[in-house]
Amino acid sequence: DQQVKQNSPSLSVQEGRISILNCDYTNSMFDYFLWYKKYPAEGPTFLISISSIKDKNEDGRFTVFLNKSAKHLSLHIVPSQPGDSAVYFCAASANWNDMRFGAGTRLTVKP
Amino acid sequence: EAQVTQNPRYLITVTGKKLTVTCSQNMNHEYMSWYRQDPGLGLRQIYYSMNVEVTDKGDVPEGYKVSRKEKRNFPLILESPSPNQTSLYFCASSLMASGRELFFGEGSRLTVL
Repeated sequence: DQQVKQNSPSLSVQEGRISILNCDYTNSMFDYFLWYKKYPAEGPTFLISISSIKDKNEDGRFTVFLNKSAKHLSLHIVPSQPGDSAVYFCAASANWNDMRFGAGTRLTVKP
Repeated sequence: EAQVTQNPRYLITVTGKKLTVTCSQNMNHEYMSWYRQDPGLGLRQIYYSMNVEVTDKGDVPEGYKVSRKEKRNFPLILESPSPNQTSLYFCASSLMASGRELFFGEGSRLTVL
């Protein structure tokens, strides 16, 4: 069962505009959420995280929003840059040995 | 440079021929784990280790073995590979005191014919 779902396999945006990547989860025990970014032929790299006690976390151009009642989180990238083109994985965790990943969303930022 | 190193990066093998994918980290991390990535399924955990000599199964452990004899190394062993183990494998590590963010290796693409 996929407890973390990224329903959009791909997203294309224009450089300078906002990119919004979405993620839904089903397990109410998840208390920590992360986004990873992956370039071709490389491993995923950590981008930003949020604890369930918060509803927003910002780091430069990246902001993650958490809506616990809807079991939904989103990653906003503003402004989007061509170098942001990558696959983005959403992950959710209830404890150290239980991190679940979504299938990923491929973001393309067009110049 | 802080890193997780996996070898080999690419491997084509045949059914039943035992193989080992090595993983080494130089960050003194206690936690290490193995994931496989398959299209449409994201990353699924195979095995994890909270410290030396402490390992446990993840979601998809069938057909795999691991060992953690030293803190820095966490090899993944396929005793008798089968075609359904064709996948992209990632090793990851984390410093448990600093949060749950994982550091990933570059991946090992395995094809079993």
